[in-house]
Amino acid sequence: EAQVTQNPRYLITVTGKKLTVTCSQNMNHEYMSWYRQDPGLGLRQIYYSMNVEVTDKGDVPEGYKVSRKEKRNFPLILESPSPNQTSLYFCASSLEGDPRHYGYTFGSGTRLTVV
Amino acid sequence: GNSVTQMEGPVTLSEEAFLTINCTYTATGYPSLFWYVQYPGEGLQLLLKATKADDKGSNKGFEATYRKETTSFHLEKGSVQVSDSAVYFCALSGSGGSYIPTFGRGTSLIVHP
Repeated sequence: EAQVTQNPRYLITVTGKKLTVTCSQNMNHEYMSWYRQDPGLGLRQIYYSMNVEVTDKGDVPEGYKVSRKEKRNFPLILESPSPNQTSLYFCASSLEGDPRHYGYTFGSGTRLTVV
Repeated sequence: GNSVTQMEGPVTLSEEAFLTINCTYTATGYPSLFWYVQYPGEGLQLLLKATKADDKGSNKGFEATYRKETTSFHLEKGSVQVSDSAVYFCALSGSGGSYIPTFGRGTSLIVHP
């Protein structure tokens, strides 16, 4: 079954403690991206990657890092989390070909709380 | 910059009623337009899309037409079911060649039996 898998589903952490949210896809897609969803704001893209070792900033990259060392994995790293990064996070990969015209398939989300 | 505006929710309907969720956009160039649906506790799922003016996207009884003259992509369904209760997001992508999509704020749909 084609899937985008994120872990963990829920995470509570303290300010300043580094964390990583993992994302993997089993569809051999080249394009992957991370989003945060906040009430009343819709989804905003954090980072995207068009292929291995190719990443670029989205709309809200501040405070986040990503890496793409292999095609299937695209982890999101918060080096020093702050309370304003409390949010619902989604990983996505392109459904087929160019995601600008074909759209995305999303993981089930990670709810992060930073206290 | 680009923007997507959706009607405020929640939209509350009785089963078998007609559904319209309005979506208008502002963008440069010729973006592709999408509707996504999010069920409680899940990620977004692509519902339908249209990549050029006058295209009609359709899926599961839902449809939307890309209207460039009115910069709109309204979602419609002739007869909703309780199982259609979810949050619906309108989005655009590819404006000016960008890989960064723009999403609307989402419209919650509640369908009563």
